[in-house]
Amino acid sequence: GAVVSQHPSRVICKSGTSVKIECRSLDFQATTMFWYRQFPKQSLMLMATSNEGSKATYEQGVEKDKFLINHASLTLSTLTVTSAHPEDSSFYICSASGSGGQGYSTDTQYFGPGTRLTVL
Amino acid sequence: QKEVEQNSGPLSVPEGAIASLNCTYSDRVSQSFFWYRQYSGKSPELIMSIYSNGDKEDGRFTAQLNKASQYVSLLIRDSQPSDSATYLCAVLDTGRRALTFGSGTRLQVQP
Repeated sequence: GAVVSQHPSRVICKSGTSVKIECRSLDFQATTMFWYRQFPKQSLMLMATSNEGSKATYEQGVEKDKFLINHASLTLSTLTVTSAHPEDSSFYICSASGSGGQGYSTDTQYFGPGTRLTVL
Repeated sequence: QKEVEQNSGPLSVPEGAIASLNCTYSDRVSQSFFWYRQYSGKSPELIMSIYSNGDKEDGRFTAQLNKASQYVSLLIRDSQPSDSATYLCAVLDTGRRALTFGSGTRLQVQP
């Protein structure tokens, strides 16, 4: 159990375009989803936390107008990188934590496989 | 600033040995701790969680927690080359419900 999927796994786009990344919890209801970014040889940096049906909470230094997060249902959250630039190239990873009612701890985060974004 | 500290390594151990990975954290009120394994180019996968002082065993893995010393460790018995990865220690920020990750320790298991 506790499977989280992400789509696409890899995307290459031109500078100035927008890219949408989907994160789905496949076998549990994810009341909270998290979006991380990881640059080469660095640890994960939390970008934002989203709860189903409410606005995302962004970490300091993360531009909310550039990284649009939507968590419209208990199984789906999306991250849209708007007007992407080469410096946005990174490994974007989502994670989800459950409601607890299905045996999944509300504390434990399960990670998706990640999306590698390359902006040319 | 809540911090989680890990030695970046690499920690090199021979196949079959015990690998010991350590982590310290700054937030004294933390209650939930996690170890994740991350292979190069992949996302983290959960190894185990620990919430109470003492040891917790799961197969070849043992997590140890000492809240008084603000210290959590992971032991890997009978290390295999397939265990070669970066191990991330994570501490739950109770208020924000978000994980703070250490920078990770790179483990190399030599055949």
